[in-house]
Amino acid sequence: QSALTQPASVSGSPGQSITISCTGPSSDVESYNLVSWYQQHPGKAPKLIIYEVTKRPSGISNRFSGSKSANTASLTISGLQAADEADYYCCTYAGRVLFGGGTKLTVL
Amino acid sequence: EVQLVQSGAEVKKPGESLRISCKASGYTFATYFIHWVRQMPGKGLEWMGRIDPSDSYTNYSPSFQGHVTISADSSTSTAYLQWSSLKASDTAIYYCTSMQQMTNWFDPWGQGTLVTVSS
Repeated sequence: QSALTQPASVSGSPGQSITISCTGPSSDVESYNLVSWYQQHPGKAPKLIIYEVTKRPSGISNRFSGSKSANTASLTISGLQAADEADYYCCTYAGRVLFGGGTKLTVL
Repeated sequence: EVQLVQSGAEVKKPGESLRISCKASGYTFATYFIHWVRQMPGKGLEWMGRIDPSDSYTNYSPSFQGHVTISADSSTSTAYLQWSSLKASDTAIYYCTSMQQMTNWFDPWGQGTLVTVSS
């Protein structure tokens, strides 16, 4: 059982937007802007797509965005593409490292 | 370009020892923490522990404390993850990943090392 809770799966059609939530202890999620998100395609290593709740690394599409409200962080992917089909993990690092259980995104 | 390259897949028997490696390049080794993350078959990511290569200080997740050892060799810019006695439940992919000091995100990641423990 992960300390950060994500939905097991989400789905959407090409062009649509989806949001993945990540809920955790207030001490880890709400108190600091230290949430990051990772994308993992099958058989590949995870890849950083969002850090410090809202920031995108260089080279990451602006279709990916992050936000936070209280103890729930969210990842939104707009203009869904087939290549977005992957597993997504949230993570916090506030004295301890916590990962979410992962969300499988299916593009219909 | 910061890059982490891990050692190849391993097949071991229960009770055997093992050390896998993660070689860093493209930056000053001492300025990034190296973390290890486990991914069991079909499961999510689990943080195992980290090392500060500048002083070899380590800390571990309680779930892995005492079962694995993380070390680093600054002369070769390589971090290691080792077991003294493997169990079948150690079968997993192990990723190393780096975290620049004063930051709080993991980037980049190694390609992963598959460890299979079977009699």
